[in-house]
Amino acid sequence: QSALTQPASVSGSPGQSTTISCTGTSSDVGGYNYVSWYQQHPGKAPKLMIYEVSNRPSGVSNRFAGSKSGNTASLTISGLQAEDEADYYCSSYTSSSTLDYVFGTGTKVTVL
Amino acid sequence: QVQLVQSGAEVKKPGASVKVSCKASGYTFTSHYMHWVRQAPGQGLEWMGIINPSGGTPKYAQKFQGRVTMTRDTSTSTVYMELSSLRSEDTAVYYCARDPGMIPKREYYFDNWGQGTLVTVSS
Repeated sequence: QSALTQPASVSGSPGQSTTISCTGTSSDVGGYNYVSWYQQHPGKAPKLMIYEVSNRPSGVSNRFAGSKSGNTASLTISGLQAEDEADYYCSSYTSSSTLDYVFGTGTKVTVL
Repeated sequence: QVQLVQSGAEVKKPGASVKVSCKASGYTFTSHYMHWVRQAPGQGLEWMGIINPSGGTPKYAQKFQGRVTMTRDTSTSTVYMELSSLRSEDTAVYYCARDPGMIPKREYYFDNWGQGTLVTVSS
């Protein structure tokens, strides 16, 4: 079971939007609406930002939006702010026989 | 509020075992599954397994089968993850993370995380 594929880095200026992709297979991302996204600042634990493809937990800014098409999920951050600079990981449930969840390779978001 | 507080950093020699604890508070301990996830330095996240704090057999990722044991103590609302036969590649931060679903239902994401426990394996 391979990790889900994410771009290593994306960047944008304050106020702009940026989108992170997360590509898997029909056994994970494409097969279930169990994609979630996590934000991780250096030295900190991951924080849930999106669950079940497009749902935001309470307290998470509506500048964060999730979507999915086929085997690729996406996280869009609009109105980029300095505090959005962090690593972002997607995750999906998988029907693999070797594990239940697979994570993405991670994307570093830089606010220019 | 939900809190998951993990034990402190550990340094172990290759071949040894390590046991990391995760004490839960702010919710009914036996109502939610707990996962363990690890992150090697500069690397991504890796799911290790899941335990039902109310009982039953934990489920482990195949990669860790035979080396990992997850247990729980309901009297202290604590889950444990023990990893044996440590090697340098096990150097990582280990996290406990809660599933928000009410047992027996799973929600397939992680809504609260412990602060992480750094385990360093070095001779």
